[in-house]
Amino acid sequence: GQSLEQPSEVTAVEGAIVQINCTYQTSGFYGLSWYQQHDGGAPTFLSYNALDGLEETGRFSSFLSRSDSYGYLLLQELQMKDSASYFCAVRDYDMRFGAGTRLTVKP
Amino acid sequence: DTAVSQTPKYLVTQMGNDKSIKCEQNLGHDTMYWYKQDSKKFLKIMFSYNNKELIINETVPNRFSPKSPDKAHLNLHINSLELGDSAVYFCASSQDGAASVHEQFFGPGTRLTVL
Repeated sequence: GQSLEQPSEVTAVEGAIVQINCTYQTSGFYGLSWYQQHDGGAPTFLSYNALDGLEETGRFSSFLSRSDSYGYLLLQELQMKDSASYFCAVRDYDMRFGAGTRLTVKP
Repeated sequence: DTAVSQTPKYLVTQMGNDKSIKCEQNLGHDTMYWYKQDSKKFLKIMFSYNNKELIINETVPNRFSPKSPDKAHLNLHINSLELGDSAVYFCASSQDGAASVHEQFFGPGTRLTVL
């Protein structure tokens, strides 16, 4: 079956760096993606990895290791507005989302 | 311009009623989806449509039925509503392609409350 594991909560201070891990188990694999969701809002796409390595998009980076079935989202220079839930998602036949990690950024 | 829109934003109804949620996307995408997000924020895919053809049908009750009049619309009909149907329902769309299918654009959500 399919499963995705990510921490339920992470807390960090403004300006810090935080890493949100995601491990997955799927029957097939076509990529790992990350979404951000603010309270009361809709999920918004952040990044996607199909191959091993690091993808950088501004303050956010995402990493994938297919051999370890593992990835992470790295958020640098944290800002208060980064407080949100972050979901990893994998696609084999369809898209499956993790349970989400609630990031709280404190001043 | 709104990329993916849903109506209504809020829906409060009684058990046993039938209701519909509408979704439209103006991105020219090939595939549209419906997701259910429960109170614990777990996001679960329910359906996806590609060029008016159902390509994924999750193990959701058959009280739920997607209807796509055209490529830009995917509506969700729910019959005989139950308390457990209370959730936020998101519509989403994506372009076909190995990479682009991962970038899904979500609508603002419809908060359904069944009393």
